[in-house]
Formats: sequence, C-alpha cells, structure tokens
Amino acid sequence: AQSVTQLGSHVSVSEGALVLLRCNYSSSVPPYLFWYVQYPNQGLQLLLKYTSAATLVKGINGFEAEFKKSETSFHLTKPSAHMSDAAEYFCAVSDRNAGNMLTFGGGTRLMVKP
Amino acid sequence: DAGITQSPRHKVTETGTPVTLRCHQTENHRYMYWYRQDPGHGLRLIHYSYGVKDTDKGEVSDGYSVSRSKTEDFLLTLESATSSQTSVYFCAISESGVTYEQYFGPGTRLTVT
Repeated sequence: AQSVTQLGSHVSVSEGALVLLRCNYSSSVPPYLFWYVQYPNQGLQLLLKYTSAATLVKGINGFEAEFKKSETSFHLTKPSAHMSDAAEYFCAVSDRNAGNMLTFGGGTRLMVKP
Repeated sequence: DAGITQSPRHKVTETGTPVTLRCHQTENHRYMYWYRQDPGHGLRLIHYSYGVKDTDKGEVSDGYSVSRSKTEDFLLTLESATSSQTSVYFCAISESGVTYEQYFGPGTRLTVT
C-alpha cells in the first residue's frame, strides 16, 4: 500500500522568505508524484508532477520539487514567498497498477506574513 | 481549466434521506473519481470509474454507491445520509495511461443535519 506523509500541517513564512513544504512517500513501485494547491473554497490545481524523467521538477507560480529516491522525499520549494501563495498544499502519489489512483497526504496550510 | 462541473455546489439534507451528487465532464477522459475532503485527512477516495459501467471501491466506500451510464457523467449516491458524511466532495478526471495526473472539479459542500 502506498502512503504519503506531509510534515507540518501548518507552515508560516514571511513574504520574500524561502518556502519549504515537506513530503515523504511510501511506494512499492517507482512512483509518480504530484503537488496540488487548493485556494479557499476551490478545487485542487496541479502545481507540478514527477514522472521519472528529471528529478528536479519545475511547476507553476515559481514552485519546484526534487525527487530523492534515497530519502523517499518530494519536498516542494519556492525561493521567495508571495502573499498570493497562501493556500493549502497537498502531496500525492499515484498507483500506476491500480487505475491511476492517487493517495494524498494530509495537507499543509501555508500562511504568508507581510 | 479542465471541463468539470459538479452539482449541486451546496446542499443541506437531513439524516436518513438519500442524496445524489453529479459530476459532469466535457473532456472525454476515461477515469473519473469521487473524493471526500475532511480537515486533517487530505482527500480520501470513495469510488472511481475506469469506463462506462465499470466502477470500483476506494478507501472509504461504505455508505456510498456510484453509477456511470455515460462517459461524461459520474453520480455519487448516499443511500441514507448520516452526519459523518458531512464533508466536501470532489470529483476528478484522468486520461488513460500517460502521466496519471487528475483534474478536479470545484467541489460540493454537503451538510447532513
């Protein structure tokens, strides 16, 4: 069975500071990994994805994530936080052997202080 | 944005009543999913469909049923709603194979009183 752990249900940073959201996964097969963002009262929007090509993946809005197999991690980073980045972020792993099913982490709410 | 709509967007119902939520897509994607979102749990898969009339259970399927009679529509039914089913429900779609990402609808907020 696959699982995803997001360390820190709430993360607070100052505007302009580095954003680091942590994600560790467990998978019995080489994983496909995703980060989604959810703004208040909206659905989830895909930020970026890892599908076994480059280990450093760039996404929308200046975010990127690095796949580290040895650490089973897929942490999300952004060099400089903006007020508009305040949202909830979800890491997910895909089970390629079971109907593209995604297993999600519990989410991390990012707060950006002025 | 992927063409996914959900209806209704908000619903309040009483315990014991049946409820049906509808997901409609215009992308002709093979896979469709129903999730529920609850604080601290992220999103949990209820049921999914891999084609017309082809469905399977997810992690939290008890108390829910689904149907898919057309490619574009995926219905989620709560046969007899309970307060524990108060949640936000999201539909998602995915193409077959390729890169496996899912695209999400706007959600339905269901309150069972």
